[in-house]
Amino acid sequence: KAGVTQTPRYLIKTRGQQVTLSCSPISGHRSVSWYQQTPGQGLQFLFEYFSETQRNKGNFPGRFSGRQFSNSRSEMNVSTLELGDSALYLCASSLDSGGEQFFGPGTRLTVL
Amino acid sequence: SQKIEQNSEALNIQEGKTATLTCNYTNYSPAYLQWYRQDPGRGPVFLLLIRENEKEKRKERLKVTFDTTLKQSLFHITASQPADSATYLCALHAGNNRKLIWGLGTSLAVNP
Repeated sequence: KAGVTQTPRYLIKTRGQQVTLSCSPISGHRSVSWYQQTPGQGLQFLFEYFSETQRNKGNFPGRFSGRQFSNSRSEMNVSTLELGDSALYLCASSLDSGGEQFFGPGTRLTVL
Repeated sequence: SQKIEQNSEALNIQEGKTATLTCNYTNYSPAYLQWYRQDPGRGPVFLLLIRENEKEKRKERLKVTFDTTLKQSLFHITASQPADSATYLCALHAGNNRKLIWGLGTSLAVNP
């Protein structure tokens, strides 16, 4: 069974730009969660989608948004990038909310 | 406020010894708790899940305990090996919305 894939793996953007990250979950998994990870803050939950609906949301500003498609693939978008958005963005899929999370390799975003 | 705490300081142990990592929580009544391993620059990998009605769970050299009275989970790696060196994260399943709440992780170094 193929694992969770994320694209792109690395991204460099400048302040003010926007970015879209993509995540393809394991086949059959309907829940996709997104996390931001930085050295000082650890793993911070962004949001979770289940069957195309946002089920949970973390405490991030509205610049961070996401969506899920009918094939369970998910995208997250960050608009008006700030330096502090530089982080590893991880996507995880699971059969159901709160279940065993299968993580992708992450997208390393650097904002200059 | 709701909190999850893991040993903030890195744990250094000698090969062959047992490593014990702690996950404490306050103001939660989690239905279950999960442990993950994370290597640098990679996504976390699921290790074990323990439910509130289980006192102990084992998998090969790994053992997890869950004490809902003390609000604590202990994660043990017996006969530790240098390959066990990584960061270990605990995550609680909290609330009816099935959200996972993550600790910051504990870095473990096993010295040969």
